[in-house]
Amino acid sequence: KQEVTQIPAALSVPEGENLVLNCSFTDSAIYNLQWFRQDPGKGLTSLLLIQSSQREQTSGRLNASLDKSSGRSTLYIAASQPGDSATYLCAVIPSASKIIFGSGTRLSIRP
Amino acid sequence: DAGVIQSPRHEVTEMGQEVTLRCKPISGHDYLFWYRQTMMRGLELLIYFNNNVPIDDSGMPEDRFSAKMPNASFSTLKIQPSEPRDSAVYFCASRHGTGGREQYFGPGTRLTVT
Repeated sequence: KQEVTQIPAALSVPEGENLVLNCSFTDSAIYNLQWFRQDPGKGLTSLLLIQSSQREQTSGRLNASLDKSSGRSTLYIAASQPGDSATYLCAVIPSASKIIFGSGTRLSIRP
Repeated sequence: DAGVIQSPRHEVTEMGQEVTLRCKPISGHDYLFWYRQTMMRGLELLIYFNNNVPIDDSGMPEDRFSAKMPNASFSTLKIQPSEPRDSAVYFCASRHGTGGREQYFGPGTRLTVT
């Protein structure tokens, strides 16, 4: 059974720092991996989707990597800003239509 | 496109009442998903449809939950009778095609059952 783990559960860093959020999964046979952002009381916003054949994806200050063999993905945020404060969810897509979410990392950027 | 639309955004009801949550997917998307989010269990997939047909409802917690998709632009998730432990945020998402495509989420419906 696929399990998705995100550590730490919460992270607080000062503005301007680069940071890495971690996601691990137990079954390397995945279709895709997707990172989401969720603001308090809001829905999910897709940040990056990495297909199983890819190693990384970049969008602006965000870079997500995928290492299927080790069951890991990271989300790198460069030059963090207070507006980056949110919960970041990693989701593994083990088949064409299933999606399994991690419990998220609650990120707080201190001004 | 307006994105995935869910209604109501908030619902407060008493235990035992019927609750109906509604979703309008993005036009042209052929997959629709219903999720539930709680602090204890995180985000869970309840059921998904492909071309209006339910494909996998193994995540539906019990028979009190049912979902329908009468046409490509509308889906409902019904809880009858509702219980306090059903209190959660329910998300609807849609996607076009399989696998390599992104899911787009609605804003969610926050359900409180007292």
